[in-house]
Order: sequence, then C-alpha cells, then structure tokens
Amino acid sequence: AQSVTQLDSHVSVSEGTPVLLRCNYSSSYSPSLFWYVQHPNKGLQLLLKYTSAATLVKGINGFEAEFKKSETSFHLTKPSAHMSDAAEYFCVVSSGSGTYKYIFGTGTRLKVLA
Amino acid sequence: EAGVAQSPRYKIIEKRQSVAFWCNPISGHATLYWYQQILGQGPKLLIQFQNNGVVDDSQLPKDRFSAERLKGVDSTLKIQPAKLEDSAVYLCASSLGARAGAQETQYFGPGTRLLVL
Repeated sequence: AQSVTQLDSHVSVSEGTPVLLRCNYSSSYSPSLFWYVQHPNKGLQLLLKYTSAATLVKGINGFEAEFKKSETSFHLTKPSAHMSDAAEYFCVVSSGSGTYKYIFGTGTRLKVLA
Repeated sequence: EAGVAQSPRYKIIEKRQSVAFWCNPISGHATLYWYQQILGQGPKLLIQFQNNGVVDDSQLPKDRFSAERLKGVDSTLKIQPAKLEDSAVYLCASSLGARAGAQETQYFGPGTRLLVL
C-alpha cells in the first residue's frame, strides 16, 4: 500500500523569503515521487520528480526537493518566494508491482504576501 | 507540442441528468487517465486506459459512471444519472508509455468543472 501526507494545508510566506512545503510518504516498494503545482483554473503542472537517481532534485522555477528515505520525506523548497508562486501544491507517490498509479496528497495552498 | 485538451471547461446540470466529458491526450501517448478532484482534496483516479484497454477502474462508480477510449486516442467520461456529490473537477491526463511504470510523468489537461444542482 502507498500513501502520502502533506503536513500543512496552508502556508503563508512573505515575498523574497524561503518556502518549505512538507510531504511524507509511505510505500511498500521503492517509490517515485512528484510535486505538481495547480494555479487557479489551470491544469496540474509538473514541478519535479524523484526516480531513484540523485536524492536532491531540481525542478522548474527555482524549486527543489530532497528525498530522505530514513525520514520517508520529500519536502519541497525554494530559496526566495515570488508572488507568482501562489498556488496549490500536490505531492504524489507512485509505486507498485505491475500496475502503477499516482496517489495524491491533499494539497498545500501557498500564499505569498507582498 | 499541444497539451491534453478537455471540453467543456464548465458544466452545470441538475441532479439525475446525464453529462459527458471529452478528452484528447497528447499525440502518441498510450496511457490515459481520468481523475475526480473534489474541492479541497487531491485528485483521485477513476479509470486508467492503456491504448484502448482498461487497466484500472477499481474506483469508478460503475452504476453511474462509464468511460471509453475509442481507437486508443480520444476518451469520453459519462455520468448518468448525476448526483449532488458528483460536483467536482474532472481531470484528464496522459502519459507516454504503453506499460505505465512508476516513473512515468503524467500530463494533465485543464479539467472540466462540474456543478450538480
């Protein structure tokens, strides 16, 4: 079985300050992990993914995430928030044997204050 | 490269009516997915096709929902009859591989927002 927990439903940061969105996962197999962003009335866009290569993954728009197996975590970070980063962020785990599917977290809404 | 296309973008119906959504995946993508995203929740997989065969429909409410993928390309998702709790965004996604692995990236369309009154 697999699951993902996003620890914060809402995060507020000031523009120019660091962003941390937390994600913990559970998986019986070696997982692949993804972060997607969803802007209002837009589709989900892939930010980055981990697929058992480097544990520190760099994505688009300055985001990165670190896979920590011992902590079963895959937290998303960005050094300096921009107003355009305000959106909903979803952590996703995918693993299994034979048939694979995405399991989404419940999402974290990021608010960026001017 | 064109993305995943969905129509309509918005739909309002009354309960017990029927509704259909259409999806055109990225050209050449073998696997197609339909998700339901209820307000405040993450998307939940309803059905997964590989080419025109169903791989996983374990969370599809088959008494009212149906889906097909003709000729392994476009897909339609139908709800008949609709209930109030079907109000949600319906997302279509596609991925390249014919045998979707754990590492496969899924590309999402803009979704259809359904409101059932």
